[in-house]
Amino acid sequence: ETGVTQTPRHLVMGMTNKKSLKCEQHLGHNAMYWYKQSAKKPLELMFVYSLEERVENNSVPSRFSPECPNSSHLFLHLHTLQPEDSALYLCASSQVWGSAPGVTGNTIYFGEGSWLTVV
Amino acid sequence: RKEVEQDPGPFNVPEGATVAFNCTYSNSASQSFFWYRQDCRKEPKLLMSVYSSGNEDGRFTAQLNRASQYISLLIRDSKLSDSATYLCVVNPSPGYALNFGKGTSLLVTP
Repeated sequence: ETGVTQTPRHLVMGMTNKKSLKCEQHLGHNAMYWYKQSAKKPLELMFVYSLEERVENNSVPSRFSPECPNSSHLFLHLHTLQPEDSALYLCASSQVWGSAPGVTGNTIYFGEGSWLTVV
Repeated sequence: RKEVEQDPGPFNVPEGATVAFNCTYSNSASQSFFWYRQDCRKEPKLLMSVYSSGNEDGRFTAQLNRASQYISLLIRDSKLSDSATYLCVVNPSPGYALNFGKGTSLLVTP
């Protein structure tokens, strides 16, 4: 069983719809992330939350809106998306944000991803 | 210059072969390094961290060359199940997000 779970696994939405992706981590981590993975592109970091505060927002369009109600849950609210937003959206968590002193490695663990298709 | 560069491949190798991937990174102050494996339509999973002294995990050996700013992954005695995309990942410095390479595709054939 993965320590990071995402729902839904697959989502098809129209450009005028509003939907949300949900992520939950069971690892006791303090940092959570949303990544986007499109075909033939490296993983793109969208948002980072550390201890429920947003610490990184990589020029993501406002049609993507994250929410972190607590350190175990992360949402990505979607509205008026474009077809080019179709991609795999990956949630991830890590023990701490960045590479903190005394924390060797600080690897991140990914959820299984949500495949989003915008039609 | 991209932060993390990898040869996208694909690398097609027969079972039992030894294959090596290299990855270069641009930030000389980078702190930590990893190899992740991603199967088709699955999430990336940590394969191994890369330590300065080099490290080995079974058939997999990872090495770091800070002077030349590259990381390598060596897979010995390739198995069919090793077929996947291997992502090079670099943590540039505290407070910065991980940088991912585009990945190197490996196909091990019978």
